[in-house]
Amino acid sequence: GAVVSQHPSWVICKSGTSVKIECRSLDFQATTMFWYRQFPKQSLMLMATSNEGSKATYEQGVEKDKFLINHASLTLSTLTVTSAHPEDSSFYICSTASGITDTQYFGPGTRLTVL
Amino acid sequence: TQLLEQSPQFLSIQEGENLTVYCNSSSVFSSLQWYRQEPGEGPVLLVTVVTGGEVKKLKRLTFQFGDARKDSSLHITAAQPGDTGLYLCAGPLIQGAQKLVFGQGTRLTINP
Repeated sequence: GAVVSQHPSWVICKSGTSVKIECRSLDFQATTMFWYRQFPKQSLMLMATSNEGSKATYEQGVEKDKFLINHASLTLSTLTVTSAHPEDSSFYICSTASGITDTQYFGPGTRLTVL
Repeated sequence: TQLLEQSPQFLSIQEGENLTVYCNSSSVFSSLQWYRQEPGEGPVLLVTVVTGGEVKKLKRLTFQFGDARKDSSLHITAAQPGDTGLYLCAGPLIQGAQKLVFGQGTRLTINP
């Protein structure tokens, strides 16, 4: 399966600051990546689909101006949480699609804590 | 409305016991995936089932895809503490669309 990395693995920031999370596909070129958030003891919630070279597609209820996604290359997608607030604290996970099947391969996640 | 319903959502059993986790839907899926997630980590793919009626085995784990491709099950034989984790089923809303819908998850605890 594909190898996906995320950086940082955890981050603590003050309210009002912006935080950038990187997602890298290490062993294949990913035209599509996905961003999820996960609250404690809950399943994954899809936030947006990141498309290389074009705008991201956001799920209903996700603020695109707050969660900025950039997919400038086939191996890197970034999620920027702008003007973060405590309610944005969560576990953020990215994934890549294999392109052959509907299987996705997930990164290790980023724990964001906003004070 | 949850497109994929997992049951049970919580399960705590003793080491050595057997268990089955179910993933049900009223919709037909072209495939279903099962993932396991441990605390603080991303989900790890266990298996993808594609053909109705398909059975796949991964050591002590047996995965089955329903004949009508609306449901799947995960059976663990002789559970071990290392099996503890959150088990997630997922499937594509539209075949080939790559976007997945997830079940609520089954949090499994195996007590030594």
